[in-house]
Amino acid sequence: DQQVKQNSPSLSVQEGRISILNCDYTNSMFDYFLWYKKYPAEGPTFLISISSIKDKNEDGRFTVFLNKSAKHLSLHIVPSQPGDSAVYFCAALDQTGANNLFFGTGTRLTVIP
Amino acid sequence: NAGVTQTPKFRVLKTGQSMTLLCAQDMNHEYMYWYRQDPGMGLRLIHYSVGEGTTAKGEVPDGYNVSRLKKQNFLLGLESAAPSQTSVYFCASKLWAGNEQFFGPGTRLTVL
Repeated sequence: DQQVKQNSPSLSVQEGRISILNCDYTNSMFDYFLWYKKYPAEGPTFLISISSIKDKNEDGRFTVFLNKSAKHLSLHIVPSQPGDSAVYFCAALDQTGANNLFFGTGTRLTVIP
Repeated sequence: NAGVTQTPKFRVLKTGQSMTLLCAQDMNHEYMYWYRQDPGMGLRLIHYSVGEGTTAKGEVPDGYNVSRLKKQNFLLGLESAAPSQTSVYFCASKLWAGNEQFFGPGTRLTVL
């Protein structure tokens, strides 16, 4: 059963606008969350993370929001750039467990120039 | 500093053949992982290792074996390949104290 879900397989956004990618999880033991970005024929690369003791983490154009009560997190990219076009994976971690990441199915973001 | 490297990049096998995928990292990371990525499935953990000489099963370990004889290398073996093992395989590593995993470029395997 998928413990981390990304219900939008794809998203298209105009350059300069905001991109919002969503992620839901079911396991209440998850206490750390990461976003990875993946270009074709490359491995995923780490983008930004957030601990469950926070509700927001910002790094330049990228901000991740966490709503623990709703078991929901989102990644905001503003302003979106064509180079942001990639597949974005949400991942969750139970730091008290085996320390393994559980990944969502990914959202393909296309930023239209 | 090459990070995480994977060998080979591509491979085509016939059903029943065997092969080994090699992952190497030069970051002195304790933890290493093997994932497979299939369309619509995200990344699923096959096996992982928390240190030299130790391995453990992940979410989808059947049909695969692993070995971690040296800290910097993590091998994934397919003893008798099946078409269901057609996938893109990613290796990753991380520090014992860290949460971020660093990924290799992937190996695209096709089993006919």
